[in-house]
Amino acid sequence: ETILTQSPATLSLSPGERATLSCRASQNVSNYLAWYQQKPGQAPRLLIYDASNRATGIPARFSGGGSGTDFTLTISSLEPEDFAVYYCQQRNMWTFGQGTKVEVK
Amino acid sequence: QVQLVESGGGVVQPGRSLRLSCAASGFTFRFYGMHWVRQAPGKGLEWITLISYDGRNQYYADSVRGRSSISRDNSKNKLYLLIDSLTAKDTAVYYCAKDFAHYESIGYFDFWGRGTLVTVSS
Repeated sequence: ETILTQSPATLSLSPGERATLSCRASQNVSNYLAWYQQKPGQAPRLLIYDASNRATGIPARFSGGGSGTDFTLTISSLEPEDFAVYYCQQRNMWTFGQGTKVEVK
Repeated sequence: QVQLVESGGGVVQPGRSLRLSCAASGFTFRFYGMHWVRQAPGKGLEWITLISYDGRNQYYADSVRGRSSISRDNSKNKLYLLIDSLTAKDTAVYYCAKDFAHYESIGYFDFWGRGTLVTVSS
């Protein structure tokens, strides 16, 4: 079973700052990794698939990178609506990381 | 637009079973694999099951394998999840989610319902 470990658990930043979230896989998942955003009381939303492809309607400030075991989600300049929890997910056995909360500093 | 609406949640006693439904609209349901993902209160996301577009193949997480069954009715655009022998660990919001690709399920979830809360309690 591939385990996804996200870091940090919480990221405290101000609007306009750059956010860099990490997801590490316990074994090689190639580029088969997605990122989701979840706001309180809402369902998750697909942001990035296959490590670096933005899903339909996702703003360009969201970008994904990495392959193999190390992946990043970058938000170039945080907007107020970006403060949320972010999950990575690998498609081979559909498992999720434990999440990173991006909160207002 | 794509809509997924779950129903069937509520309070259920330990040891009982529960059947959840998901009504789909806004896309050609019979072309897509469908998943159930759950989220315990204050916790992260847990994928639990997938059914292929034609219903022939099902996959389950260890946490529900052997006591749950996913099914679909492509004539009614509906997805179902039956879970037996419920315990407090099954308390969660249950989401149905559409697979990203048609026919072959590639395992990304591009549309989600709003979820239905299942509370297992005596």
